[in-house]
Amino acid sequence: AQSVTQLDSQVPVFEEAPVELRCNYSSSVSVYLFWYVQYPNQGLQLLLKYLSGSTLVESINGFEAEFNKSQTSFHLRKPSVHISDTAEYFCAVPRMDSSYKLIFGSGTRLLVRP
Amino acid sequence: GAVVSQHPSRVICKSGTSVKIECRSLDFQATTMFWYRQFPKQSLMLMATSNEGSKATYEQGVEKDKFLINHASLTLSTLTVTSAHPEDSSFYICSARAGTGTAEPEAFFGQGTRLTVV
Repeated sequence: AQSVTQLDSQVPVFEEAPVELRCNYSSSVSVYLFWYVQYPNQGLQLLLKYLSGSTLVESINGFEAEFNKSQTSFHLRKPSVHISDTAEYFCAVPRMDSSYKLIFGSGTRLLVRP
Repeated sequence: GAVVSQHPSRVICKSGTSVKIECRSLDFQATTMFWYRQFPKQSLMLMATSNEGSKATYEQGVEKDKFLINHASLTLSTLTVTSAHPEDSSFYICSARAGTGTAEPEAFFGQGTRLTVV
């Protein structure tokens, strides 16, 4: 069965430090991959996506993620985090039976401390 | 980008009553919308797929008589939690697929509704 694994439930870091949020997926077919961010009591916002082409994708607020097919990973990174980056981050892949239905990882809470 | 609006953002209701949650696509037509449920500190679980003009498709284990879905127009889907009980308390989030011809499986999410049943 398809699955998305986010091994870290919470990642505490100090402001301006680098961070990596890990995501591994299971799939035997070509994949699309997404990272969503959720601020408290809000819905999800698309952070970045991999559909095809360059394996390194970037967001407008400094996050980047790299699709690694051999390791079936799509880790999210940021070289220097801000307090405002504190949020829940979800990795997601479309289901095989419908590319518009998403399977989410369990989420990683990024906690940025001053 | 495409905007999805969900209303209300918070609702508290008494046990046994019904609650309706609206999901609107503001600047695009959404032939398909999705309803997710999120328990505290957990991930989102797909409840059902809402198709304009036809019956919703429910995921395994989701009670269709409990969670009524209506997708009456290309911009509006509603989720009604009938005879709500405290265990229905949760965060409900909708998402919508933009257009009918896009090949990109990107979903746009509403801001969510926090339902508390007392």
